[in-house]
Amino acid sequence: DVKVTQSSRYLVKRTGEKVFLECVQDMDHENMFWYRQDPGLGLRLIYFSYDVKMKEKGDIPEGYSVSREKKERFSLILESASTNQTSMYLCASSPPGTGREQYFGPGTRLTVT
Amino acid sequence: QKEVEQDPGPLSVPEGAIVSLNCTYSNSAFQYFMWYRQYSRKGPELLMYTYSSGNKEDGRFTAQVDKSSKYISLFIRDSQPSDSATYLCAMVNDFGNEKLTFGTGTRLTIIP
Repeated sequence: DVKVTQSSRYLVKRTGEKVFLECVQDMDHENMFWYRQDPGLGLRLIYFSYDVKMKEKGDIPEGYSVSREKKERFSLILESASTNQTSMYLCASSPPGTGREQYFGPGTRLTVT
Repeated sequence: QKEVEQDPGPLSVPEGAIVSLNCTYSNSAFQYFMWYRQYSRKGPELLMYTYSSGNKEDGRFTAQVDKSSKYISLFIRDSQPSDSATYLCAMVNDFGNEKLTFGTGTRLTIIP
């Protein structure tokens, strides 16, 4: 059974803290994605990685960075958390090829106070 | 204007009814069209996948794409309470693009 796991389901952090969100997939997929999901705004792509150490900015990369040192692991980093980064964060992976199915993790609900 | 528009609902229908969910889009380069289902407190999962125009049926679900109108639909027949979820449309062009463009999602509740 394919699986994408995220390190935490719920996280509460203070403004200014550095936050790490971890995602691991066991499907040997080349592509990995980080999204945030907000009511009325839907899923918005933050960053995308198509190979180890390769990354590409999505639609809303400001305030975020990513790291992909191993194929199965993709980390999202909030350098200095702000309240407007309170959101549901979803990680996904997919094999290479246009429009291939993306497999999502369960999400991390991050609250920044 | 967003590239993909989707009515957020919420939509409530009685059990057994036919449900129609829709998205419109503005980018004529989109070629692959998907519907994802997201249960509460879970990540989205792929439900249906269609390439270009036409219909595709899978059990109680039918996906329909009308590229001339830039309009896609998902029909659910004999709706069940277990169909209660948020449904997101997604689409991508045909230029080696790995990134999907999602609609905002429609929250659906099937009333027993």
